[in-house]
Amino acid sequence: QVTLKESGPALVKPTQTLTLTCTFSGFSLNTRGMRVSWIRQPPGKALEWLARIDWNDDKFYSTSLKTRLTVSKGTSINQVVLTMTNMDPVDTATYYCARYAGSWDYFDYWGQGTPVTVSS
Amino acid sequence: DIVLTQSPGTLSSSPGERATLSCRASQSVSGSYLAWYQHRPGQTPRLLIYAASSRATGIPDRFSGSGSGTEFTLTISRLEPEDFAVYYCQQYGSSPRTFGQGTKVEVK
Repeated sequence: QVTLKESGPALVKPTQTLTLTCTFSGFSLNTRGMRVSWIRQPPGKALEWLARIDWNDDKFYSTSLKTRLTVSKGTSINQVVLTMTNMDPVDTATYYCARYAGSWDYFDYWGQGTPVTVSS
Repeated sequence: DIVLTQSPGTLSSSPGERATLSCRASQSVSGSYLAWYQHRPGQTPRLLIYAASSRATGIPDRFSGSGSGTEFTLTISRLEPEDFAVYYCQQYGSSPRTFGQGTKVEVK
């Protein structure tokens, strides 16, 4: 059974760095072809793809956010970490991690999402 | 970027009725690479349809997808109580992959 779960702070201050962890089970990110992404949804807005990490440690970022984002494998074998620097109130959103459906760029499993508010 | 516009924003329907959800793309979606997801409150988003019309594993056949180019449709033939949720489309034919803003299907 594949599951993913996001964790991290619910509230960060402007200019701070956000660190989110995606803890997953039921698959290994070391398996060839496996990929995990981070996606967010600001209140009332569309989902927005942020970043991706592949089984071979390749990483890809949203063009508009790439200077602020870092995605990495976590210290545990079943974790992916996203950091976003210089947080701003416009970054207030629910942040999701999701697994790609094989080689296709849609998502077969998602986490429940973790809400993050940026406010002083 | 391809902008996906979903309509209606909210669909008020009754159990047993047919629901038709639209996803319109600002440019043609290459390969009809379009997916639909269902998101119920408190649950994880669930993949329903990929490649515009292929049902994901375990998805009931009351859900069907159709369309190509810039116009795509998700149809729920007879609404069940568990189908009242928010539905999102996503294109994966062009980079960056983009999502629609969602259609909420609510009980009339």
